[in-house]
Amino acid sequence: DAKTTQPPSMDCAEGRAANLPCNHSTISGNEYVYWYRQIHSQGPQYIIHGLKNNETNEMASLIITEDRKSSTLILPHATLRDTAVYYCIVMSSNDYKLSFGAGTTVTVRA
Amino acid sequence: NAGVMQNPRHLVRRRGQEARLRCSPVKGHSHVYWYRQLPEEGLKFMVYLQKENIIDESGMPKERFSAEFPKEGPSILRIQQVVRGDSAAYFCASSRLDKHPVNTEAFFGQGTRLTVV
Repeated sequence: DAKTTQPPSMDCAEGRAANLPCNHSTISGNEYVYWYRQIHSQGPQYIIHGLKNNETNEMASLIITEDRKSSTLILPHATLRDTAVYYCIVMSSNDYKLSFGAGTTVTVRA
Repeated sequence: NAGVMQNPRHLVRRRGQEARLRCSPVKGHSHVYWYRQLPEEGLKFMVYLQKENIIDESGMPKERFSAEFPKEGPSILRIQQVVRGDSAAYFCASSRLDKHPVNTEAFFGQGTRLTVV
């Protein structure tokens, strides 16, 4: 029972913005959208999370649609080191299990 | 860097031996989670522990696997009588609280890659 849908892969040019979509049409009112990434052979790394407002930190921006059925992670200036698998995860504030799906494999090309 | 520390990074065991994986959480974190990533698969939750307590082990195989988080020392994931199917990357994560509300997130270690030969 996948809660999110992401494209399996995408390419991005170095220095350009990378826009990673995620569909979560069955999201509940108390569920947050989290993004993690996993660079090859490393542990997952937290990126950002949000409930309904757009969020920005030093790594990325998260844009959540008004109906909350989808969101977009934006890496403003992709570098080669951003090549990784990116996971969009929906989780309530009462939960603690991160459910990692297949994610989107992002390849940043020079 | 006081992140989650896992050791060993790589572990090779023969079939039938025991594997012990250690995880030291971020200083001040009292909640530890173990995940397993089988080759070419996603990460799967195994167990959630607080100091001296197992809170949720719903993702743990029923046999041969056990986990602990003693009052002192690291969390230990123990696999007895390993088989080739146990070969995987095992990741530990820690957090300040037992859930992930607005202001917290899970910090992951670099993992232990277990190879059973």
